[in-house]
Amino acid sequence: EVQLLESGGGLVQPGGSLRLSCAASGFTFSSYAMSWVRQVPGKGLEWVSAINGGGDSTYYADSVKGRFTISRDNSKNTLYLQMNSLRSEDTAVYYCAKSKYNPGYVNLDYWGQGTLVSVSS
Amino acid sequence: QSALTQPRSVSGSPGQSVTISCTGSSSDVGTYVSWYQQRPGKAPKLMIYDVTKRPSGVPDRFSASRSGNTASLTISGLQAEDEADYYCSSYAGSYSSVVFGGGTEVTVL
Repeated sequence: EVQLLESGGGLVQPGGSLRLSCAASGFTFSSYAMSWVRQVPGKGLEWVSAINGGGDSTYYADSVKGRFTISRDNSKNTLYLQMNSLRSEDTAVYYCAKSKYNPGYVNLDYWGQGTLVSVSS
Repeated sequence: QSALTQPRSVSGSPGQSVTISCTGSSSDVGTYVSWYQQRPGKAPKLMIYDVTKRPSGVPDRFSASRSGNTASLTISGLQAEDEADYYCSSYAGSYSSVVFGGGTEVTVL
């Protein structure tokens, strides 16, 4: 059974940093692209970033480019999102999601339960 | 990275059909369109991928198509359990960026 478990969310001040993790199990992690998608409570989904299975190709939304870094450790079956220079508008639930293909970042067939990031002073 | 345009809400009675549209630029809505269902407090669930394909376990009441710049999701034989938010998604002009629609709330009357 595919499982994705996010962790690392919490309250952080504007300008601060946070690293999210997503522990994956139930599939061959290195064979699939992975993504981060966020959602402001009560609002729609926003794609944040994606990475291919090997970890050598990464993509970012304009809203986070230069501030967030996606990475993965295939030996630990874990996806990461390093978030720096956080802003109030980054407040959201962050989901990690598995792609159906590699590469391929649109068809996200499994999602974690999400972790809440709150940016506030 | 403009969002895809979806109606904010659609509704129908049990047994009826509803269709949700998803409109983007010619470079957005291409070969790779997916649809997600999200119930309150839950993570999104993939309902359609590659424009028209259903993952195993998704009822065949859910179908999808694309015409030009518009993709569509149709729910036939509407059931109470179909009440949720639905999002479309596609690449945004290139294969290096992804965009979601604003979401459509489906209400079963």
